Amino acid sequence: ETGVTQTPRHLVMGMTNKKSLKCEQHLGHNAMYWYKQSAKKPLELMFVYNFKEQTENNSVPSRFSPECPNSSHLFLHLHTLQPEDSALYLCASSQESPGLASLGEDTQYFGPGTRLTVL
Amino acid sequence: RKEVEQDPGPFNVPEGATVAFNCTYSNSASQSFFWYRQDCRKEPKLLMSVYSSGNEDGRFTAQLNRASQYISLLIRDSKLSDSATYLCVVENSGYALNFGKGTSLLVTP
Repeated sequence: ETGVTQTPRHLVMGMTNKKSLKCEQHLGHNAMYWYKQSAKKPLELMFVYNFKEQTENNSVPSRFSPECPNSSHLFLHLHTLQPEDSALYLCASSQESPGLASLGEDTQYFGPGTRLTVL
Repeated sequence: RKEVEQDPGPFNVPEGATVAFNCTYSNSASQSFFWYRQDCRKEPKLLMSVYSSGNEDGRFTAQLNRASQYISLLIRDSKLSDSATYLCVVENSGYALNFGKGTSLLVTP
């Protein structure tokens, strides 16, 4: 496997279910991200992990719970979601360190996404 | 004011045409700038970074105007395969990316 992978690719769940989204990166990066893409809205950043530490949480409801056990894996645990949470959830990874931005080497690479439908 | 604003389009252009997309951003402290391309139902992929001096990659030219907080993408000699949504992306502190809503391009035969 190369790049950034996400499983499952599609998920349908009820509002009382608990499920988890998984992301794995094979690029040796040290930062990982969860984004949400809703219809007709820009991509929204949800969480950022840098060296396994959460560095950003963009006011995401607590029914979304991220977990980053190591720098290659990122999970998004879902619990009692609402229909408006239906969206494409994208994972990304990058190599972050001072100076890389100016070299254009801090590109974020995206996984294919998980299309989530909440009934 | 939204952080990153783009004209959603759609832009319908014939093959071979030149088309330009514009984008404005609100945070004057923004660090890095990119154009991503997103095909229907696929993840965004980096098209090119945007440097202060402007940069070109084949048929694509990107420019940045920090004073006006404005970014542009020019596509020359459009191909059918250029049809996609083009996302203007701005990186602020903390490495997080802010995405515009995207500009839809349809290149027709």
